[in-house]
Amino acid sequence: QEQMVESGGDVVQPGGSLRLSCVGSGFTFNNYGMHWVRQAPGKGLEWVAYVRNDGTKKYLADSVKGRFSISRDNSKNTVYLQMNSLRAEDTALYHCTKSRGDYYFGFWGQGTLVSVSS
Amino acid sequence: EIVMTQSPATLSVSPGERATLSCRASQSVNNKLAWYRQTPGQAPRLLIYDASTRATGIPGRFSGSGSGTEFTLTISSLQSEDFAIYYCQQYNIWPPLTFGPGTKVDIK
Repeated sequence: QEQMVESGGDVVQPGGSLRLSCVGSGFTFNNYGMHWVRQAPGKGLEWVAYVRNDGTKKYLADSVKGRFSISRDNSKNTVYLQMNSLRAEDTALYHCTKSRGDYYFGFWGQGTLVSVSS
Repeated sequence: EIVMTQSPATLSVSPGERATLSCRASQSVNNKLAWYRQTPGQAPRLLIYDASTRATGIPGRFSGSGSGTEFTLTISSLQSEDFAIYYCQQYNIWPPLTFGPGTKVDIK
């Protein structure tokens, strides 16, 4: 059974840093591109970041470029989101998702909550 | 960036009735359009991809149509679990992948 479990969310002050992790199981992790998608409280969905299955290509949304980075460790079936210089507007539930071939999301993790507040 | 819009923002429907939701892209996305349903406290669930292909396990009451810039999701007979928020997403030209703002389907 496929599963993706996110962790690392916390309450952090503006300007702080967090690293989110997502561990995948039940599928061949290194066959899939991995994404982070976030949802601010009561708001819609926003794509944040992508890393190709082999880690050689990465994309970030403009709203996080220069502050966030994405990486993966296929030996640990894990994708990471390093979040620096956090702002109040980064407050959201962060989901990891996967894609193969086309870039829609057939399976989502339940998310990890990031709250940026002083 | 391709901007996605959805209408209406809220749709009030009685159980068993038909619901029609619209999604528009700011430029052509060909058929690279997905639909998701999100119920409170849950992650989104993929309903439709490639504009009209039902995802695995999705019942036949869900159908998608359209291409280019105009798309429609139809739910033929609303069940209790269908009262939710629906999002469309384009994946033709990216980054970024972009979602619509959502349509909330509530009970009339």
